[in-house]
Amino acid sequence: EIVLTQSPTTMAASPGEKVTLTCRASSSVSYMHWYQQKSGASPKLWIYDTSNRASGVPNRFSGSGSGTSYSLTISSMETEDAATYYCQQWSSNPPTFGGGTKLELK
Amino acid sequence: EVQLVESGGGLVQPGRSLKLSCLASGFTFSNYGMNWIRQAPGKGLEWVASISSSSSYIYYADTVKGRFTISRDNAKNTLYLQMTSLRSEDTALYYCARHSRLHRVMDAWGQGASVTVSS
Repeated sequence: EIVLTQSPTTMAASPGEKVTLTCRASSSVSYMHWYQQKSGASPKLWIYDTSNRASGVPNRFSGSGSGTSYSLTISSMETEDAATYYCQQWSSNPPTFGGGTKLELK
Repeated sequence: EVQLVESGGGLVQPGRSLKLSCLASGFTFSNYGMNWIRQAPGKGLEWVASISSSSSYIYYADTVKGRFTISRDNAKNTLYLQMTSLRSEDTALYYCARHSRLHRVMDAWGQGASVTVSS
């Protein structure tokens, strides 16, 4: 199975700061997807097929990458962006998730 | 509005069984593959099982294969997860999630059903 490693595990950002979260795959994948989960809530699809924002996701969020290295970037941190972000691949079975990056507000 | 509502969770002893349900509304359930995803307390997400729209294709994580059974009743708009031989490591919040028709992602999630396996 493909193992996804996210970094950092936890980070804090100030309002207005640029944030980059990283996800590395143990083998090459075609696409990477990202989910946002706020405390006590269900995960939400956030970015799909590496770079496409899901419905309602602000355009300050962007995704990029290829092969084994992918990232999710927030151009300017806002209060509401504090959450845990999980990457996920389904290029091969079984689908796997990264361990998550908890993004906190500084 | 797409809604997925899980039920059937609870406290169960090791080795016993439990069946989760997920009632779908707001979309044509029979057109979508469905998934169960779980999240142990304070931990990340783990895919558990998937079923295609017509139940033709079913897949399981190795951690639950042979113990869990995913099924669906399209007439009742309901997804199921029958869990047997439960272990303490199965303790988690179990989410049902809709599989996108165009992409290999889960595009809608329920609120989760809590399963605690303990004596």
